[in-house]
Amino acid sequence: DQQVKQNSPSLSVQEGRISILNCDYTNSMFDYFLWYKKYPAEGPTFLISISSIKDKNEDGRFTVFLNKSAKHLSLHIVPSQPGDSAVYFCAASTADGGATNKLIFGTGTLLAVQP
Amino acid sequence: NAGVTQTPKFRILKIGQSMTLQCAQDMNHNYMYWYRQDPGMGLKLIYYSVGAGITDKGEVPNGYNVSRSTTEDFPLRLELAAPSQTSVYFCASSGQGRGAQHFGDGTRLSIL
Repeated sequence: DQQVKQNSPSLSVQEGRISILNCDYTNSMFDYFLWYKKYPAEGPTFLISISSIKDKNEDGRFTVFLNKSAKHLSLHIVPSQPGDSAVYFCAASTADGGATNKLIFGTGTLLAVQP
Repeated sequence: NAGVTQTPKFRILKIGQSMTLQCAQDMNHNYMYWYRQDPGMGLKLIYYSVGAGITDKGEVPNGYNVSRSTTEDFPLRLELAAPSQTSVYFCASSGQGRGAQHFGDGTRLSIL
């Protein structure tokens, strides 16, 4: 049972344009969502997060949007740069994990930004 | 600033062998986690710890054991290696329970 789904295995975007990565979830108890970026042979790197009490969070070129009614979140990267080419993972957790963040990850989307 | 350090980076084991994957962090984080990532899949939580002496199971704990005797170290033990445990293993830590996790670069383990 895949609770966090990233239905697009890959995405190709031109440099300077907007990249939109999507994530859907099924568990209505998720209250905290994160995006991670991963280069080959490296560990995931935290990008941005959002709590379920918000519908938008921005950090520089990265913006995450949360639509709770649709159980959908998206990551926007504007403008896209060749260095953004990586695998992007969506992750979520519930408050019933107590004080810990027991993350459930999606399967990832490979973003390729073409120069 | 080393962050989260995992050793070894690569290892090949024979079925039935045992080994310990090492994880150390120098950020004085209380929370530490072990994940595995199979090809084409997301990361799945194996075990986690909220502080020295306290550990608990995650989503896929079978075939693994952990210990946490110090804040810095969180080793993962495979007692009887099986082909199904071929994967990339990531260790992570966080300073706050629900804060972002910082990951090591992984250990790629093959069991033949």
